[in-house]
Amino acid sequence: EPEVTQTPSHQVTQMGQEVILRCVPISNHLYFYWYRQILGQKVEFLVSFYNNEISEKSEIFDDQFSVERPDGSNFTLKIRSTKLEDSAMYFCASDHGTVQETQYFGPGTRLLVL
Amino acid sequence: DAKTTQPNSMESNEEEPVHLPCNHSTISGTDYIHWYRQLPSQGPEYVIHGLTSNVNNRMASLAIAEDRKSSTLILHRATLRDAAVYYCILGSGAGSYQLTFGKGTKLSVIP
Repeated sequence: EPEVTQTPSHQVTQMGQEVILRCVPISNHLYFYWYRQILGQKVEFLVSFYNNEISEKSEIFDDQFSVERPDGSNFTLKIRSTKLEDSAMYFCASDHGTVQETQYFGPGTRLLVL
Repeated sequence: DAKTTQPNSMESNEEEPVHLPCNHSTISGTDYIHWYRQLPSQGPEYVIHGLTSNVNNRMASLAIAEDRKSSTLILHRATLRDAAVYYCILGSGAGSYQLTFGKGTKLSVIP
């Protein structure tokens, strides 16, 4: 069964450093998403991406964040200058983009900002 | 966004059925009802979804009230692997496909 993959599984970085989280969505999916989950809290939507541009973004997704699909398979989330409060699990998801569609989530990247 | 209300936690004995309730009294006519679950240290995982009629799949059943203001996820025989946080989420469509997660119901399965 096809699955969403994410790398790295864990990332430790210093405050102020840039990080790039990588995802490989399911190959025939059209919509791609990033969510985050701070330890002990709810899963929060960050951004959705379709046809090489941002479709929706939340208030969390400020100028420090960017997304890109640099080639036909990868989908990346970049945090330009990390803050302590960016420490969280980051989940990538993908689907065909309809309201009744199933979103498939990756296993997540645990980001720790020191 | 239409909101859902779920109990914070529930317990079940292994191999017994589990009924997880969800209230969504402000649901609109086009909102789909989705259920996802999140096992410890994993990403959310799709369980089932429906619009008006009851639905069955290999993982679970979804019973939707006639007025659609509530629904129940049914796990027919709980296993230890079913211990997870279960989320009831309304898909509002209208070009917005993001999932809005609440706190969900933490299901504990007792051996």
